[in-house]
Amino acid sequence: DAKTTQPPSMDCAEGRAANLPCNHSTISGNEYVYWYRQIHSQGPQYIIHGLKNNETNEMASLIITEDRKSSTLILPHATLRDTAVYYCIVRVAGTAGGSARQLTFGSGTQLTVLP
Amino acid sequence: DARVTQTPRHKVTEMGQEVTMRCQPILGHNTVFWYRQTMMQGLELLAYFRNRAPLDDSGMPKDRFSAEMPDATLATLKIQPSEPRDSAVYFCASGLGTSGGETQYFGPGTRLLVL
Repeated sequence: DAKTTQPPSMDCAEGRAANLPCNHSTISGNEYVYWYRQIHSQGPQYIIHGLKNNETNEMASLIITEDRKSSTLILPHATLRDTAVYYCIVRVAGTAGGSARQLTFGSGTQLTVLP
Repeated sequence: DARVTQTPRHKVTEMGQEVTMRCQPILGHNTVFWYRQTMMQGLELLAYFRNRAPLDDSGMPKDRFSAEMPDATLATLKIQPSEPRDSAVYFCASGLGTSGGETQYFGPGTRLLVL
């Protein structure tokens, strides 16, 4: 799986958009970009994933550059409850008939949402 | 709202005692993962199962750890005998392998303290 680079920490004002960057310059064509977060004392939580197109769900948007070497997770209106460590993970997708793939968590970005 | 459940949530035991942690994956998920998290090592994969069969347990100390899935609704992780260095948060995650990727859903974790 490709290595990812994230800033160690970021601050964001409550109500504003939080933009979390991730570099994955060695990503391969069959590798997905996944984002998880871990709120203090809780288990990691899936946020979103994508291959090459931008994705949006009820939690966030994922913007992947055209060359796929970097991506940005966007929380459109950050709240205090979004304070967490955010992990960007690049991995080959598992297949229904193939082997499962474990997640390799790096050190992530500590996002602090300020009141 | 389907969730992974883990029991117990907290466990304090003395060195040498047996510890059993249980996980109920989300109904219908065919993969189960066991992770361990410490401040020093971060999140580490211990073992994972697909369709109840163990696929990889190379992250587990074989002499004292064992993981099983007696049925599709229960996964167990046992430590015997436990040691102080086993103190950590143990997370179970479940997922459903598809051709589009595999998302893992984590439980709340079992916080283990071995004295």
